Parts: sequence; C-alpha cells; structure tokens
Amino acid sequence: DTEVTQTPKHLVMGMTNKKSLKCEQHMGHRAMYWYKQKAKKPPELMFVYSYEKLSINESVPSRFSPECPNSSLLNLHLHALQPEDSALYLCASSLWTENYGYTFGSGTRLTVV
Amino acid sequence: GENVEQHPSTLSVQEGDSAVIKCTYSDSASNYFPWYKQELGKRPQLIIDIRSNVGEKKDQRIAVTLNKTAKHFSLHITETQPEDSAVYFCAASSSGGGADGLTFGKGTHLIIQP
Repeated sequence: DTEVTQTPKHLVMGMTNKKSLKCEQHMGHRAMYWYKQKAKKPPELMFVYSYEKLSINESVPSRFSPECPNSSLLNLHLHALQPEDSALYLCASSLWTENYGYTFGSGTRLTVV
Repeated sequence: GENVEQHPSTLSVQEGDSAVIKCTYSDSASNYFPWYKQELGKRPQLIIDIRSNVGEKKDQRIAVTLNKTAKHFSLHITETQPEDSAVYFCAASSSGGGADGLTFGKGTHLIIQP
C-alpha cells in the first residue's frame, strides 16, 4: 500500500458545527502532516507530527485541533470555523529521516457556510 | 523561515518544445527540493526531487538542476505533450535529519499549445 487515504472527500459544515477530517497510511511512515490549500495557491503547512508527537504548529488558530492516535492515523478536529477556512485540506506522510517518500493524500474539500 | 520564489507564474509553450521553470530559496540549510504537478481538483503529485548532494537528476523527459551556491533550482521538461498541462509547484525543506514541512513556491501554470 503506497497511498495516503483521506476521508471524507467533501465536507460542508456550519460555523457552529464540530467535524473531523481523517487521514490514514500504512507505509510505515512516522511523519505525518496537515496542509491547507486555497484555490490557485500553493499548499501551506499547518502541523507536523513526528513519531505521534506534534513537532511543528505553524501558528494555526485553535479552532483547528490535530490528533495522532497511532502511527497510521492522523485526525484534524474542526470547531467554530469561519467561511474563510473553506479550502482543500491535504494530509501527507513521509519517512522521518530526510523526507523520503513524501506522499500527499487526495484531500478533503471543506466548505464552511 | 524558508522563502521560495518561483517563476514564471504562467508559461505557454508549443507542443514538442521544452519548458523551464525556475525557483530560488532563501535558507542555506535547505537540502531537499521536490517538484509537484497538480491538475485541477487533484492532489499534488511528486514528479521529481533532488537533494543537496546532487547537482542534476533526470527521469525520462523531466530533469531538475540544483545550484547550491546560487540557491536556485530548475525544472526542465522536454518534448512537451498536452498531458503536461497543469500547475507545477517547487518546494524546499530543511529536514535536518528529521521530519520537516515543505515550503512551496507560488506555482507555475503550464499551458501546452497544440
């Protein structure tokens, strides 16, 4: 298995809702990442997990809460989002050492209404 | 932090011609430089990458060159085909022996004219 799987593929949520994005990989990668990509813009790094521990948080608002329950799973919990948070959320994984095997999932397209 | 500049923002070439996209980076500690192709509505797909201990790498019609002294790297696509039309992103990372995020350039919209 050489893929990063993200669910759901599409999500529409209200500003008062709580939802979660899920990411899974079975490549033995010990580094996992969340990126946010707005239309016609490059992906922007949000969080990095190394060996299930949060190692980088790029000053992301607390309405985004990441969680890494085990070495294969990465979640992004969403609460009280704003319409400007609508974007494509991409998960990625890599070998911990030297970024080998950096692979992106197909993303969750999030719309906040 | 790292800053990656990418040029041009749009590139239109005739089918069969070559395309070159250039990027510069600011952090001399960066040592990993991937290139991604992203089609509309899809994920970024890694097409080639290069590490700082190598000056050039080639994979069929695609090649990447790296000049560490000048802190710039370039993507070369030869014999372009209609399916090469997409947005291309360069990126840089300083892995420092561990996991690190990628800093992306703003992207180049490559258009292959038939």
